[in-house]
Amino acid sequence: DTGVSQDPRHKITKRGQNVTFRCDPISEHNRLYWYRQTLGQGPEFLTYFQNEAQLEKSRLLSDRFSAERPKGSFSTLEIQRTEQGDSAMYLCASSSGTSGKRYEQYFGPGTRLTVT
Amino acid sequence: LAKTTQPISMDSYEGQEVNITCSHNNIATNDYITWYQQFPSQGPRFIIQGYKTKVTNEVASLFIPADRKSSTLSLPRVSLSDTAVYYCLVGVFWDYKLSFGAGTTVTVRA
Repeated sequence: DTGVSQDPRHKITKRGQNVTFRCDPISEHNRLYWYRQTLGQGPEFLTYFQNEAQLEKSRLLSDRFSAERPKGSFSTLEIQRTEQGDSAMYLCASSSGTSGKRYEQYFGPGTRLTVT
Repeated sequence: LAKTTQPISMDSYEGQEVNITCSHNNIATNDYITWYQQFPSQGPRFIIQGYKTKVTNEVASLFIPADRKSSTLSLPRVSLSDTAVYYCLVGVFWDYKLSFGAGTTVTVRA
């Protein structure tokens, strides 16, 4: 168990550019989540995958955001035409989905996005 | 989702016990209470989960009174490394979306 990894850890981009983040979950976990966290606030749910299927998207996930999880393994989160309001920590988490463990999500270290 | 209220911050000293109380007056029958811990520049980490009475693991204890309208996370003999933000979450056990509030910033001093 190597934990959840995210790449890159930091990203600085100019407004209007596209960015893509990657998340590698714990290998045996079939559920993957994306959250966004701004300074002083708790993480906010963005979207959720079970295997390769994206089952729910938050209203926070505007049409500039897209997430994929091909083959049910790693996931990518892309933000098109970035805005300064997109600056935040983007967190990925995974869970096994088995009884007794559904609420226990394992988080990665996050990708800190700064839009200038 | 049941709304939770917890203190914004708490200060403590090494070796002391820290108790963080979370209010959740509108908790539903199917809701569980879960606590996460977050260190600076890291993702949150699951600490403990319970439904009623008392739950204890190697890290903390969770006390839930009979009416379940509040819960208390107890951290025994804290050290400097326990300085973190602690989040109380209330939700359905099988739900997949975690709903975090602002959490309680616990600062442990030497």
